[in-house]
Amino acid sequence: EPEVTQTPSHQVTQMGQEVILRCVPISNHLYFYWYRQILGQKVEFLVSFYNNEISEKSEIFDDQFSVERPDGSNFTLKIRSTKLEDSAMYFCASNLRGGDEKLFFGSGTQLSVL
Amino acid sequence: DAKTTQPTSMDCAEGRAANLPCNHSTISGNEYVYWYRQIHSQGPQYIIHGLKNNETNEMASLIITEDRKSSTLILPHATLRDTAVYYCIVRYNQAGTALIFGKGTTLSVSS
Repeated sequence: EPEVTQTPSHQVTQMGQEVILRCVPISNHLYFYWYRQILGQKVEFLVSFYNNEISEKSEIFDDQFSVERPDGSNFTLKIRSTKLEDSAMYFCASNLRGGDEKLFFGSGTQLSVL
Repeated sequence: DAKTTQPTSMDCAEGRAANLPCNHSTISGNEYVYWYRQIHSQGPQYIIHGLKNNETNEMASLIITEDRKSSTLILPHATLRDTAVYYCIVRYNQAGTALIFGKGTTLSVSS
């Protein structure tokens, strides 16, 4: 089965630094998503992206966050100035049509902000 | 917040059927019921979804009550690898609509 690929699997950064989390969605998919999960808590929606635009975003996705599809294969999440509370597992997901379609999730990037 | 209510945890013996309930009493006519699971902090994995009719695939069966206010996910022969958090999610099938996860049910399968 095709996979969503996320790199790196674990990233450590200092508070205040910028980080970029990378994802390669499934090749023919059109809708892309970022979620996060703080340790011991539920999976939280951050943002959805289609046709080079944000479709929907949550209250968590403030000005410190941005997303980009810099080329035909990658989908990135940037956090401009990381805070301790940004430490979490970040999941990328994609699907083909965005409607009656299951989301495929990557295995996640564990971000640790020190 | 999530529109569903699920028990916090359940236990099941290996080889037996696991029946996971979900209440979604405020579901609207156009909303689907989705089930996902998350095995030990891996990415969530799709299991099954349905609107009105019962559904079955290679992983599970989904039974939706006639009034659509509740549903049950059935894993017919649970294995140790089915130990996971199971999420019942109600969602419109519109393009780009996000999945909103609740706390789910932690299913523990033991030998």
